[in-house]
Amino acid sequence: AQSVTQLGSHVSVSEGALVLLRCNYSSSVPPYLFWYVQYPNQGLQLLLKYTSAATLVKGINGFEAEFKKSETSFHLTKPSAHMSDAAEYFCAVSDGAGSYQLTFGKGTKLSVIP
Amino acid sequence: DADVTQTPRNRITKTGKRIMLECSQTKGHDRMYWYRQDPGLGLRLIYYSFDVKDINKGEISDGYSVSRQAQAKFSLSLESAIPNQTALYFCATSTYREGYTFGSGTRLTVV
Repeated sequence: AQSVTQLGSHVSVSEGALVLLRCNYSSSVPPYLFWYVQYPNQGLQLLLKYTSAATLVKGINGFEAEFKKSETSFHLTKPSAHMSDAAEYFCAVSDGAGSYQLTFGKGTKLSVIP
Repeated sequence: DADVTQTPRNRITKTGKRIMLECSQTKGHDRMYWYRQDPGLGLRLIYYSFDVKDINKGEISDGYSVSRQAQAKFSLSLESAIPNQTALYFCATSTYREGYTFGSGTRLTVV
């Protein structure tokens, strides 16, 4: 079984400030981990994914995430927030190349204050 | 054309009615999924299919059924819609190499 916990359903940051969205996972097998972004009235877009290669993963739009096995975490960061980053972000885990089903966290809505 | 197309985009239906949501894909992926999104709950898996003859229940399959008419088509049915099935529904496909591709979603309202 696998699960994802996203800490904070709503995060607000000032434009230009660091973005940190937290994700902790639980998995009985080595996990694959993902971050998706959903802009208002749109579908899900993949930001980045970890599939057991490098633990620091770089994604689109300046985002990156670090896989920390000891902490069972996969937090998403961006050094400087932009107004266009305002969206909902979902962390997800799958059981690697097995069933490859995604289990999602409940999401974190990011607001960027001008 | 989008890789994963969902129809309709929006639908309002009455309690007790049968409704079908359709999904078609041009990715050539064998694996297809239906997810439901509710505010504050994230996305939850309803059904998934690894090929035309392999269909599996997900986390929240009660009240739903699916049909995999072809590799490219995967439909979700609500046999008798109820208000708490009001949600945003996503279809997705996947392969190990390419990952997941999501459709744009179907917003369903049951009144």
